[in-house]
Amino acid sequence: QSALTQPRSVSGSLGQSVTISCSGTSSNVGDYNYVSWYQQHPGKAPKLIIYDVSKRPSGVPDRFSASKSGNTASLTISGLQAEDEADYHCCSYAGTYPYVVFGGGTKLTVL
Amino acid sequence: EVQLVESGGGLIQPGGSQRLSCAASDFTSSDYISWVRQPPGKGLEWVSVIYFGGSTYYADSVKGRFSISRDTSKTTVYLQMNSLRAEDTAVYYCAVFDARGYWFDPWGQGTLVTVSS
Repeated sequence: QSALTQPRSVSGSLGQSVTISCSGTSSNVGDYNYVSWYQQHPGKAPKLIIYDVSKRPSGVPDRFSASKSGNTASLTISGLQAEDEADYHCCSYAGTYPYVVFGGGTKLTVL
Repeated sequence: EVQLVESGGGLIQPGGSQRLSCAASDFTSSDYISWVRQPPGKGLEWVSVIYFGGSTYYADSVKGRFSISRDTSKTTVYLQMNSLRAEDTAVYYCAVFDARGYWFDPWGQGTLVTVSS
């Protein structure tokens, strides 16, 4: 049972937009602006795509955007491309132990 | 950008021990290194972190059984795993942990640990 709750799967058509939610509590997502998101293709390592709730590392397309409202963080991918098909994991700082918590991951299928 | 390479995974019997290594191309003095694991078909779970000054922290699920350390040259971080259980079966990733915002970047390619008789 992951500390953060994500939908197991989402899907969207090429060119459309999808949003993945990440629900936490007032002890993690709700209390800190330290939410990060990771993209993971099958058999590959996770890759950071969002940090500090909504910032994109260099090289990450601006099709990826993210935000937070209350205890829920969200990742939006616009203009879906085939290569966006992957698992997406959210992560939040939790202040005290266990310090950082992850969601269970969401499988994105591009139709 | 620093590159990380894990090694040491394999098939281990329950109750056994294994040491994982995480070799870095270029750690800086401020790098914190963490281990994160992913059981087959499941999500990510933070396991442990070592800070530059030597402070270490562990998830409750591994506390007392796992130990994280780094060599004196600080280019390799180890995860000593003892009293292994079936539920420790996972791909183990090492990653640079950025304490400015508590994110992980970059990650190594991972090494699979299978605990089974």
